[in-house]
Amino acid sequence: GAVVSQHPSRVICKSGTSVKIECRSLDFQATTMFWYRQFPKQSLMLMATSNEGSKATYEQGVEKDKFLINHASLTLSTLTVTSAHPEDSSFYICSARDDGSRTGELFFGEGSRLTVL
Amino acid sequence: ILNVEQSPQSLHVQEGDSTNFTCSFPSSNFYALHWYRWETAKSPEALFVMTLNGDEKKKGRISATLNTKEGYSYLYIKGSQPEDSATYLCAFLKTSYDKVIFGPGTSLSVIP
Repeated sequence: GAVVSQHPSRVICKSGTSVKIECRSLDFQATTMFWYRQFPKQSLMLMATSNEGSKATYEQGVEKDKFLINHASLTLSTLTVTSAHPEDSSFYICSARDDGSRTGELFFGEGSRLTVL
Repeated sequence: ILNVEQSPQSLHVQEGDSTNFTCSFPSSNFYALHWYRWETAKSPEALFVMTLNGDEKKKGRISATLNTKEGYSYLYIKGSQPEDSATYLCAFLKTSYDKVIFGPGTSLSVIP
């Protein structure tokens, strides 16, 4: 089956630093990827839609300068949390839509747990 | 704002019991409804993709139905097993290339 690899799985950083999270589709091409954030005991909150070769579409309330998304190829999207602060600590997970699939289901990465000290 | 809701929030059942959960979504501008299973320490995995009103899909002991006119989908698990313990998420799309909006999930615990 389709595989999406996300790393790092865990990262601890100091306040003020930037952290990059990568999301790769390993065996399919993905023009569209999605980045979600999960708050404790809550569901997946869509942050942005990442489109290869164009700017990401951010959801209302998500700061695009804070959460930089780059989708430079059909298999890689990155999320950079810039100048991270403790309130950015969260679980971030990406998903990808297989360009060749007619069913349209999403394939998820393993998620990244960010802790900002 | 799209509201995708799921109930119950959590469920504890005995092994062998059958159970079902509900997902409700906006009934206008419907394209697809997905069900995902998210086991602890794993990635969410798709169970079903449903697009037509009246769709019924089945995978082993798990099945799902779809009513797009009234905006709900049911997920059924027959004879629950401990390995069914997971969070079950539904997700809604208005168009084929639309963003995927998730409901809050139903957390199922199957007690041996």
